[in-house]
Amino acid sequence: GDSVTQMEGPVTLSEEAFLTINCTYTATGYPSLFWYVQYPGEGLQLLLKATKADDKGSNKGFEATYRKETTSFHLEKGSVQVSDSAVYFCALSYNAGNMLTFGGGTRLMVKP
Amino acid sequence: DGGITQSPKYLFRKEGQNVTLSCEQNLNHDAMYWYRQDPGQGLRLIYYSQIVNDFQKGDIAEGYSVSREKKESFPLTVTSAQKNPTAFYLCASKTGQGVLYEQFFGPGTRLTVL
Repeated sequence: GDSVTQMEGPVTLSEEAFLTINCTYTATGYPSLFWYVQYPGEGLQLLLKATKADDKGSNKGFEATYRKETTSFHLEKGSVQVSDSAVYFCALSYNAGNMLTFGGGTRLMVKP
Repeated sequence: DGGITQSPKYLFRKEGQNVTLSCEQNLNHDAMYWYRQDPGQGLRLIYYSQIVNDFQKGDIAEGYSVSREKKESFPLTVTSAQKNPTAFYLCASKTGQGVLYEQFFGPGTRLTVL
C-alpha cells in the first residue's frame, strides 16, 4: 500500500537557519503531495501542495518540489523564525480520491 | 466566520464508558472525516462520510461509530470496545472530489481515558 516517511524529529534550529525536512513516499500510482503544519494545540493547516512531477509548491517562504525520480517531496525554508515552531506533516492523495495518507510528522523547534 | 468546531477541547472518561465527540462545520462541505493522532504516528483515518446518511470505515474503525444525519454534523462515538482510546482526535471537512479541494481541520479534542 501507499506510505509516507518523514525524518524523525525533533529538528532544532536557531532563528534564520536553513530548514530541510525530508519526505519520501511509496505509491502505486501518481499521487499529489502535500505539506501540512500543526501549531501547538491546534488542528492542521495546509501549507503547500504539488499535483504532478516537477511541480514546486510554495507558501510563506516554504518550498517543496515533487521529485518523481527520487519519490521525494522535501520541505525547505531559507530562514526560519521562532513562529515556525510546529509539527510538519507530509501527505499524499490521488486526484480522483478524497483520502490523505500522512507521514508520522516532524517537530520543528526554532530557538531565538 | 466559517469553520469547523470540535467540542470539548479536553475530555476525560472512565474506562468502559462510551463517549461522543462533537464535530460541526458551517462551510457547507459535503465530505467529513475523523482522524486519530498518536505521538510519532501521524494521522490515521477512522471514518469518513461523503454525503448525508452515508459513511465508510477508514483504516482503524474498530471500536468507533459515527452518524451523519445532517450535513453540518459528524459525531464520533468512542465505544468501550476501543482498546486504547486515549489520543488526540481531529475532524476535517472538504467540498468536492479530488486534490484541488483542501481538507480543512478542526482544532481537535484530546480524549483521556482514566
